[in-house]
Amino acid sequence: QSALTQPASVSGSPEQSITISCTGTSSDVGYYNYVSWYQQHPGKAPKVMIYDVSKRPSGVSSRFSGSKSGNTASLTISGLQAEDEADYYCSSYRSSSTYVFGTGTKVTVL
Amino acid sequence: QVQLVESGGGVVQPGRSLRVSCAASGFTFSRYAMHWVRQAPGKGLEWVAIISYDGSNKYYGDSVKGRFTISRDNSRNTLYLQMNSLRPEDTAVYYCATEWEWYFDNWGQGTLVTVSS
Repeated sequence: QSALTQPASVSGSPEQSITISCTGTSSDVGYYNYVSWYQQHPGKAPKVMIYDVSKRPSGVSSRFSGSKSGNTASLTISGLQAEDEADYYCSSYRSSSTYVFGTGTKVTVL
Repeated sequence: QVQLVESGGGVVQPGRSLRVSCAASGFTFSRYAMHWVRQAPGKGLEWVAIISYDGSNKYYGDSVKGRFTISRDNSRNTLYLQMNSLRPEDTAVYYCATEWEWYFDNWGQGTLVTVSS
């Protein structure tokens, strides 16, 4: 089960926007609209930021948005803030009740 | 509020077994499918296994299939992961998480399993 591909790192200045890509295959990201994104600060458990490609759970800032085109999903953080500095992981459903995570992206606020 | 508390981690020799647990509270445990997800030190997240709300269906990641068994006791609001034939590459923090419509909704704080001689 190969992991979804994410860039290792993305950086931006405060108030800028950044986008993290998540590339899978036609068997996961490209087939199902069950892509989710997780934020993880050091030493902490992951927290869901986006589910079903573009839906935000209650309590998550509207600065976080998601989209998908073909086999690639994307997470955009607008108005970047210091507290957004963290690791981000995408995940997709992959048939037969199995799931896969992305390789992870470290976001740095310059 | 939802609370998931993992326990049972520790140091174990290669080839041995270990069982980790996840105690759930603050929600109706028996209505939710549950996952185990792990994270090796300094590495990314890896999906391990899922069990349906009633325990009738179980699915595993390729790296643990045939060695790990997920189970649950709905009377005790507890999720388990029995890990057999442990390998050094199984060293990781093991998280339990609730399933809500194809994503991982709530997470515990994790328990560290170290496989080393």
